Amino acid sequence: AQSVSQHNHHVILSEAASLELGCNYSYGGTVNLFWYVQYPGQHLQLLLKYFSGDPLVKGIKGFEAEFIKSKFSFNLRKPSVQWSDTAEYFCAVTPSGNTGKLIFGQGTTLQVKP
Amino acid sequence: DAGVIQSPRHEVTEMGQEVTLRCKPISGHDYLFWYRQTMMRGLELLIYFNNNVPIDDSGMPEDRFSAKMPNASFSTLKIQPSEPRDSAVYFCASSLQGAPRYTFGSGTRLTVV
Repeated sequence: AQSVSQHNHHVILSEAASLELGCNYSYGGTVNLFWYVQYPGQHLQLLLKYFSGDPLVKGIKGFEAEFIKSKFSFNLRKPSVQWSDTAEYFCAVTPSGNTGKLIFGQGTTLQVKP
Repeated sequence: DAGVIQSPRHEVTEMGQEVTLRCKPISGHDYLFWYRQTMMRGLELLIYFNNNVPIDDSGMPEDRFSAKMPNASFSTLKIQPSEPRDSAVYFCASSLQGAPRYTFGSGTRLTVV
């Protein structure tokens, strides 16, 4: 069965620190990969997605993620976080070409201290 | 486009009562998903539809849960009878075949007391 694992459940950073959130998935075929963000009390919003091509994907608000196929990873990065990045971040995967099941990781809560 | 619309935003009900959550997907989207979010279990896919037909309901916790999609613009998730452990935020999402970008609704926060 497909699964997604996010290594960090709770991350606390100071403003301007660099961020990297880990995400690994298990699936034998080609996949579409996503990072979603959920700000407090709000619904999930798409940060970025990878379907094919350049494995380094740039998203909104300065976020980027790198797909490393050999490691089944899709880690999220941001060089300098802001207080407004405080939120929960979810990695998700679905088999390529299939808009069926979108499987989420457990989520990582990011707290940025001003 | 108004996005995915869910109602109600908040629901408080007593144990044993029937609860119905509603979702209107984005017009033209042919996939609809119901997710449940809790602190303990994160985001769980409960069921999804393609062209109004349920494709996979393996995530539905038990027979107390049922979902329908009578037409392309409306879906319901019903819990009967409700229990305190059903307390969670229930999200609906929709997407379009060939363009895998899932749009989520604002969710329904359900509290069963």
